[in-house]
Amino acid sequence: EDQVTQSPEALRLQEGESSSLNCSYTVSGLRGLFWYRQDPGKGPEFLFTLYSAGEEKEKERLKATLTKKESFLHITAPKPEDSATYLCAVPAGTGANSKLTFGKGITLSVRP
Amino acid sequence: DAGVIQSPRHEVTEMGQEVTLRCKPISGHDYLFWYRQTMMRGLELLIYFNNNVPIDDSGMPEDRFSAKMPNASFSTLKIQPSEPRDSAVYFCASSLLALRAPIEQYFGPGTRLTVT
Repeated sequence: EDQVTQSPEALRLQEGESSSLNCSYTVSGLRGLFWYRQDPGKGPEFLFTLYSAGEEKEKERLKATLTKKESFLHITAPKPEDSATYLCAVPAGTGANSKLTFGKGITLSVRP
Repeated sequence: DAGVIQSPRHEVTEMGQEVTLRCKPISGHDYLFWYRQTMMRGLELLIYFNNNVPIDDSGMPEDRFSAKMPNASFSTLKIQPSEPRDSAVYFCASSLLALRAPIEQYFGPGTRLTVT
């Protein structure tokens, strides 16, 4: 069964203090990995898709990387507005339009 | 585009009552997904549709839950009868058809359901 584990569960950073969020997965044949951001009281918002080991994508202070066993979301010089829960997900099943299996998320708090 | 629209945003009901959650996907999207999010279990897929046809309902917890998609712009998730353990945030998401590799899903704002 596909599994997605995120760590740590919660992370508190000082503004400007860079760090990384981890997403480990166990799937039979990775066909992609998704990162989402979720603000309190809102639905998950799509950030990145990574399809193969070695791939990297960036958006403002965020950079997502992928290996054969895990993905990292690197946050460089975070600001308070980066505070949110970050979710990763992998496609389950074999089709391109299969469902997603989500990790439980990492709640990031950035103090000014 | 207005994005995925869900209603109501909040629902409080008593145990045993019927609850109906509604979703309007992004226009032109081929797939519609219903998820449930709780602190204990995180975000879990309940059911998904392709071109209004249910494809996988293995995540539907029990017969008290049912979902329909009568047309491309509307879907409902019904719980009858509701129980306190159904309290959660229910999300609807939609996506385009992926031809080769999986693509992202777009989520609505969710419906927070409280069953007392």
